Amino acid sequence: ETGVTQTPRHLVMGMTNKKSLKCEQHLGHNAMYWYKQSAKKPLELMFVYSLEERVENNSVPSRFSPECPNSSHLFLHLHTLQPEDSALYLCASSQDLGQGNEKLFFGSGTQLSVL
Amino acid sequence: EDKVVQSPLSLVVHEGDTVTLNCSYEVTNFRSLLWYKQEKKAPTFLFMLTSSGIEKKSGRLSSILDKKELFSILNITATQTGDSAVYLCAVGVNTDKLIFGTGTRLQVFP
Repeated sequence: ETGVTQTPRHLVMGMTNKKSLKCEQHLGHNAMYWYKQSAKKPLELMFVYSLEERVENNSVPSRFSPECPNSSHLFLHLHTLQPEDSALYLCASSQDLGQGNEKLFFGSGTQLSVL
Repeated sequence: EDKVVQSPLSLVVHEGDTVTLNCSYEVTNFRSLLWYKQEKKAPTFLFMLTSSGIEKKSGRLSSILDKKELFSILNITATQTGDSAVYLCAVGVNTDKLIFGTGTRLQVFP
């Protein structure tokens, strides 16, 4: 248990569906992240939030829409996805942003399959 | 473009063997280098290195950073089946990003 909880663990959706991924951290951290992990590729940073403000949007298509209502919760809203979006989506948190805060705590991820 | 390269891509050993995993990097504005272990889904933190030549150790695992030659190694001695995992190397840069490598898949057989 890393203190970062993600739901659902698995998700299968069609290209016309709308779904949301949820992440909750119990560590009192101020920064939260969404990463995408595709087979045989490095983890790719998607979004960074610090104190509920988005500070990084790493050229992610608009069919992915993040939401951070408070510093403990992070959502990723999905709509009209493509099969190539199938991947493991990992949420992470860190104490803050900035030097010395590179240590991330990861959730177990949501394995997403888009049919 | 910032880049982190890990080698080997995969490794198969027997219990009791010692393994060395490599991570080289080319980044602007280096801050730190981190190692993670990913057994099933959640990467778990192993080490963070910021200074050259200072070994960090935790049980049978150890790691060291060479900032002149731009690489790090992760050593695991007396491997056990529970060490089977993907080991990820990541480099922190000053834009608050972690640049990850593709990982080394280690399989330890009894």
